[in-house]
Amino acid sequence: GQNIDQPTEMTATEGAIVQINCTYQTSGFNGLFWYQQHAGEAPTFLSYNVLDGLEEKGRFSSFLSRSKGYSYLLLKELQMKDSASYLCAVENRDDKIIFGKGTRLHILP
Amino acid sequence: DSGVTQTPKHLITATGQRVTLRCSPRSGDLSVYWYQQSLDQGLQFLIQYYNGEERAKGNILERFSAQQFPDLHSELNLSSLELGDSALYFCASSVVERGGSTEAFFGQGTRLTVV
Repeated sequence: GQNIDQPTEMTATEGAIVQINCTYQTSGFNGLFWYQQHAGEAPTFLSYNVLDGLEEKGRFSSFLSRSKGYSYLLLKELQMKDSASYLCAVENRDDKIIFGKGTRLHILP
Repeated sequence: DSGVTQTPKHLITATGQRVTLRCSPRSGDLSVYWYQQSLDQGLQFLIQYYNGEERAKGNILERFSAQQFPDLHSELNLSSLELGDSALYFCASSVVERGGSTEAFFGQGTRLTVV
């Protein structure tokens, strides 16, 4: 089967750093996405990883280890507006995109 | 504003009915993706079209069908509706054929309520 696992909820403090983990088991692998989704809104693209390693984009970084079927999204200098759901998704070898159920991140002042 | 337009924003209909959801992709984007998002299932990929042709198929029910027209807009048809089809339906578009090699932009979604 195909499975993407990520924690359901996390809480962090404004100004801190948080790491959201994602593990996956899929039929082949083309790439892994992270999306941010605020309540009631559309997802917005954060990152796309194809190769192993860390990709940094401002306050957000995404890491991939294909051999371990593992990725994480690192958010630094947390702001209240970062309160949202973070969706991990994998594109498998059939070009199908499989999403995890998302991690709801709560930021406390 | 992502540049992807979905209509209608809200739709309420009865079980057994048929509805059509419409999506206009960003100018220049050839790929259109349809997703269903419900509270218990999360975001589910339904289908992708690229330049008028079906490109990839996900968990799309046989009661559902989609197409992409020559002007690149797309429609998702949902028939014999059931209560469980109540969800938010998103359309996304991107410029490339492969699903992930570039950013996909999402529309604001159509909220379908089946009563």
